[in-house]
Amino acid sequence: GDSVTQTEGQVTVSESKSLIINCTYSATSIAYPNLFWYVRYPGEGLQLLLKVITAGQKGSSRGFEATYNKETTSFHLQKASVQESDSAVYYCALSGGSNAKLTFGKGTKLSVKS
Amino acid sequence: GGIITQTPKFLIGQEGQKLTLKCQQNFNHDTMYWYRQDSGKGLRLIYYSITENDLQKGDLSEGYDASREKKSSFSLTVTSAQKNEMAVFLCASSQGISNERLFFGHGTKLSVL
Repeated sequence: GDSVTQTEGQVTVSESKSLIINCTYSATSIAYPNLFWYVRYPGEGLQLLLKVITAGQKGSSRGFEATYNKETTSFHLQKASVQESDSAVYYCALSGGSNAKLTFGKGTKLSVKS
Repeated sequence: GGIITQTPKFLIGQEGQKLTLKCQQNFNHDTMYWYRQDSGKGLRLIYYSITENDLQKGDLSEGYDASREKKSSFSLTVTSAQKNEMAVFLCASSQGISNERLFFGHGTKLSVL
């Protein structure tokens, strides 16, 4: 089946430093999956951060970027300078084909310290 | 904008009990989903529905029933709660399927004594 593997557990970064959360995927049933990053801020529901549906393209939102790399089957999330307000849990996900299923990674908790 | 409301926020049950979780959305979305999240694991799809009265099984449908009697609501029933079970159930909706953006509720946290 399809799967998503992302940086596990918690990542702590100092404010204004750069961030990368790794995400790799395996899509056995879909040639070109759609790729997503979702985020859950404290006290809020899970929400879409960015999505890319075309291989080779980059998505961006709120200063975060992720590039759909089909060769390395990766979709790493990056930010050049994190803020305390970026502290949240981030989930990489994929979907595609004829079904509605989003396959999620386990989530990465980002803590930004001032 | 719209909102997804899940009730109850917390649910405590007994082993063997049948438990029902409810979800309402006012986005007028066609597709609704139920996901389960266990500690340290990703979200896993239980059921989804692409229109009123439609039901599709996800990866984790065994032990659950679902009902989509209205476009705006989607309920999930745990047919027999398992002792010491603890998980968060997330409801979501989207206009279409596959590459569509999902909107999530805040979740129902289940604890089984």
